[in-house]
Amino acid sequence: GQQLNQSPQSMFIQEGEDVSMNCTSSSIFNTWLWYKQDPGEGPVLLIALYKAGELTSNGRLTAQFGITRKDSFLNISASIPSDVGIYFCAGPNSGGSNYKLTFGKGTLLTVNP
Amino acid sequence: NAGVTQTPKFRVLKTGQSMTLLCAQDMNHEYMYWYRQDPGMGLRLIHYSVGEGTTAKGEVPDGYNVSRLKKQNFLLGLESAAPSQTSVYFCASSYSNQGRHFGPGTRLLVL
Repeated sequence: GQQLNQSPQSMFIQEGEDVSMNCTSSSIFNTWLWYKQDPGEGPVLLIALYKAGELTSNGRLTAQFGITRKDSFLNISASIPSDVGIYFCAGPNSGGSNYKLTFGKGTLLTVNP
Repeated sequence: NAGVTQTPKFRVLKTGQSMTLLCAQDMNHEYMYWYRQDPGMGLRLIHYSVGEGTTAKGEVPDGYNVSRLKKQNFLLGLESAAPSQTSVYFCASSYSNQGRHFGPGTRLLVL
């Protein structure tokens, strides 16, 4: 099946620093979704990308849909302690059922105040 | 709106016991899903439903059954719990194939 590789697996940063993480696949995706999971909670959708090259922002978060359609990037500017959590990328499987999202294994972000 | 709610929040079972996890959504979403989350494995789809009265298998359906008798509810059943089913279970719903709205999760420990 399709797999999404997220990098890095974990990050330890100081408050105020910018953060970059990415998600890559060997297959083409037509949609990229970025989720954040706070400790003890369910994932929450942050940003959805639908077009190659698309750049979308949500507050201090910016995500880009890679031109090759095989990758996506998430940037967080001026990090704050509440940015702590696991960030997942996801995309709908191509072919077969459209209802199955493939999730990456996540990037664990720790922000030191 | 409450969004997606899950019952119970936490449960301990003995091997061989059965239980049902309840998911409810008040967003009138057609699609509902059950995922399990294990360390290092990410989120894996167990079963899903594209509408009332329909269900389908996901990536890891063995050992689980589901029912969608009402549009707003999606039940996940474990007939004979095994230690390998120790996990955090998330229900989700969506209006289309895109963004899922997740519940807060049910933590299940099978001894």
